[in-house]
Amino acid sequence: KQEVTQIPAALSVPEGENLVLNCSFTDSAIYNLQWFRQDPGKGLTSLLLIQSSQREQTSGRLNASLDKSSGRSTLYIAASQPGDSATYLCAVAGNQFYFGTGTSLTVIP
Amino acid sequence: DGGITQSPKYLFRKEGQNVTLSCEQNLNHDAMYWYRQDPGQGLRLIYYSQIVNDFQKGDIAEGYSVSREKKESFPLTVTSAQKNPTAFYLCASSSGRVEQYFGPGTRLTVT
Repeated sequence: KQEVTQIPAALSVPEGENLVLNCSFTDSAIYNLQWFRQDPGKGLTSLLLIQSSQREQTSGRLNASLDKSSGRSTLYIAASQPGDSATYLCAVAGNQFYFGTGTSLTVIP
Repeated sequence: DGGITQSPKYLFRKEGQNVTLSCEQNLNHDAMYWYRQDPGQGLRLIYYSQIVNDFQKGDIAEGYSVSREKKESFPLTVTSAQKNPTAFYLCASSSGRVEQYFGPGTRLTVT
């Protein structure tokens, strides 16, 4: 069964810093990988979708990379802002969707 | 606006009562999903449906039931057999195994 791990579980950084969130998965036979943001008590908002044939995707200050062979993805956030504070989850699509437990990010003003 | 709606946002029930959570989508997606989220844990799949009138159990289906009579709707019933029903419930939809879209969630509290 696919297992998805996100490290670290929590991260606190000062405003303006660049940061990297990590996602690893055990089975490289995936259709795509999706990064989400979740604010407290809310649903998940899709940030970036990387198809299995792609290496990276960018949206504004966010850049996600995918290395299927090593079972890894990273989400890079440039020039972090307090409004980026949230939990970030990754999910891989195989026979079903498999989610990591998330990284809780706090950006300190 | 296209999207997924879940109602109600908060739901309170007494132990022993069945309760139904609503999920509607107007994205014309074939697949719909129900997840449960508990504090400090990832999302766990309860049920999913890839087409009308068909659905499959996920990892934690015991104590739950679903129906898929219309493409737009995928209600979840939490039965009295579910031993620990208090949780945050999330509904999602997708077109095949492409991007998943989520609703705002329903927080169920059973006392």
